[in-house]
Amino acid sequence: GESVGLHLPTLSVQEGDNSIINCAYSNSASDYFIWYKQESGKGPQFIIDIRSNMDKRQGQRVTVLLNKTVKHLSLQIAATQPGDSAVYFCAEKERAAGNKLTFGGGTRVLVKP
Amino acid sequence: DSGVTQTPKHLITATGQRVTLRCSPRSGDLSVYWYQQSLDQGLQFLIQYYNGEERAKGNILERFSAQQFPDLHSELNLSSLELGDSALYFCASSGMGNTDTQYFGPGTRLTVL
Repeated sequence: GESVGLHLPTLSVQEGDNSIINCAYSNSASDYFIWYKQESGKGPQFIIDIRSNMDKRQGQRVTVLLNKTVKHLSLQIAATQPGDSAVYFCAEKERAAGNKLTFGGGTRVLVKP
Repeated sequence: DSGVTQTPKHLITATGQRVTLRCSPRSGDLSVYWYQQSLDQGLQFLIQYYNGEERAKGNILERFSAQQFPDLHSELNLSSLELGDSALYFCASSGMGNTDTQYFGPGTRLTVL
């Protein structure tokens, strides 16, 4: 498959362990945040989102945490599985400025069996 | 499968040429977005159309143009191609709300030789 990025930070995690992926965002006016997963050769796939009036949101095996004070977002994946191996992107949006998403650089997650 | 379709999957062409990439949004989605993903720039927003009208512009070169047709499919036209235009081009679609999730297509891999 295509290589998304040659110099991405990489997180290696043992199968069954929890993963934490971090993202620093730049626009203090951003009020909506999304995590996407991109597998090799595929387009970004929506995982979970969070609005700025929340600091935590949980989905199935995933939790997103938002710290607006330090402009930091994290994605926690519980009981990481081989199928979780992918590149993960955070994206931010300032809703008053339209629907344009600004993406972070991405983190590659490698799950070791 | 996100419901967003893109054609072609791969495109190989020469410098100076012109190509057209095609996107069909998810059923019911009025907004279409184009993004470019390159190794050194990551995912970059290019342009958004909503119900046939240009809604927002990002880092789109003057050599590039897009349109959205009455049936809501969109085309991205890239002309006077340069080696640096080689990248993955993704289309995404969403509903009307400003927190509506953007769903991405599988992308078109453009290689300029």
